[in-house]
Amino acid sequence: NAGVMQNPRHLVRRRGQEARLRCSPMKGHSHVYWYRQLPEEGLKFMVYLQKENIIDESGMPKERFSAEFPKEGPSILRIQQVVRGDSAAYFCASSLSPGNTIYFGEGSWLTVV
Amino acid sequence: QQPVQSPQAVILREGEDAVINCSSSKALYSVHWYRQKHGEAPVFLMILLKGGEQKGHEKISASFNEKKQQSSLYLTASQLSYSGTYFCGTSDQTGANNLFFGTGTRLTVIP
Repeated sequence: NAGVMQNPRHLVRRRGQEARLRCSPMKGHSHVYWYRQLPEEGLKFMVYLQKENIIDESGMPKERFSAEFPKEGPSILRIQQVVRGDSAAYFCASSLSPGNTIYFGEGSWLTVV
Repeated sequence: QQPVQSPQAVILREGEDAVINCSSSKALYSVHWYRQKHGEAPVFLMILLKGGEQKGHEKISASFNEKKQQSSLYLTASQLSYSGTYFCGTSDQTGANNLFFGTGTRLTVIP
């Protein structure tokens, strides 16, 4: 049973470019979460999605960031016009249902140069 | 909404015990504990859903005091493999599943 799969694992973007991070949840999981982690810091909640719906995006910056979880295919976190401050590890996690264990993927490390 | 963890860091010798605390200013529905090693994904340790619930995982156990809005993680007879940063994630609404994580406790076990 494959775990949460994220790609790319490492991504380098120049300032102003777009970054797209993909996440395939564990088999059977329909709840996806995105977290951001800055070096030596904790995990900051960004957005919680269920298939085709955004349930809670209270942790996501209003500008430049967007997330989706289509009916078919992986969840995507999109960062437009990246800036140096966007450099971080972005972790995706999934769960079977609300209240159940949340499992994390290996993370996508974004570096903005 | 972010829970507070203490201590921020602790160094243990192999075989020693440690307690990591996690407290919230809001009523908690669930507490989730994870361990993260440098450059890796957080790994799930355990989830506590009821007030007063205690769970164990080998020599790692946890308690959840709903009244005090806090949870504690107990590591006994620590091993080198226990080194890492421990995070508690909390949910304050029944049915809501997005977790808010503390700033972490860095545990280092030395020989």
